[in-house]
Amino acid sequence: DAGITQSPRHKVTETGTPVTLRCHQTENHRYMYWYRQDPGHGLRLIHYSYGVKDTDKGEVSDGYSVSRSKTEDFLLTLESATSSQTSVYFCAISDRFRSPLHFGNGTRLTVT
Amino acid sequence: DQQVKQNSPSLSVQEGRISILNCDYTNSMFDYFLWYKKYPAEGPTFLISISSIKDKNEDGRFTVFLNKSAKHLSLHIVPSQPGDSAVYFCAARRDDKIIFGKGTRLHILP
Repeated sequence: DAGITQSPRHKVTETGTPVTLRCHQTENHRYMYWYRQDPGHGLRLIHYSYGVKDTDKGEVSDGYSVSRSKTEDFLLTLESATSSQTSVYFCAISDRFRSPLHFGNGTRLTVT
Repeated sequence: DQQVKQNSPSLSVQEGRISILNCDYTNSMFDYFLWYKKYPAEGPTFLISISSIKDKNEDGRFTVFLNKSAKHLSLHIVPSQPGDSAVYFCAARRDDKIIFGKGTRLHILP
């Protein structure tokens, strides 16, 4: 398995609170991605990074921000969590252009 | 606007027979396509990919076919095994973005 660790694995939080999810990789891969998985929607791209401090928006970026200050860490922040952000969040990494993504095991986030 | 479409939410196939999962895309700028398999409570795992310059790629029991003119790809699994029961996602890449379909749940029947 690719060395990807997502933390926390589960989190319950209240509406309006800030939440940060962490993705840590030990593979020194250049590309990192955040997806969310919801029933009926499959996997949707939130944000991605193509290098340290280089990030861009995906399909569903509203309400989310990201930061990548080191190659190994990619943080996803919900500035003010809403119930619509209840989901399973997956981090993925890739070492070069046109190579497969390898996924972490996900973080299940519940916003009450 | 859904760029990668998997129009069959579920599919049931007898063990030992061929499973065919389909995927359509709308953006002709996609140049690399992938299939992933997902079990509950786990992250998706990569199965097989194909570049847009090819029309077929094979890896063991898995074969992916690409028809660029129809903007269609398919994944063939032969023979289907019980462990193949999972959700399968089609994905397509343009530049640094990889966009996924909604998935097809495959049930392998004994």
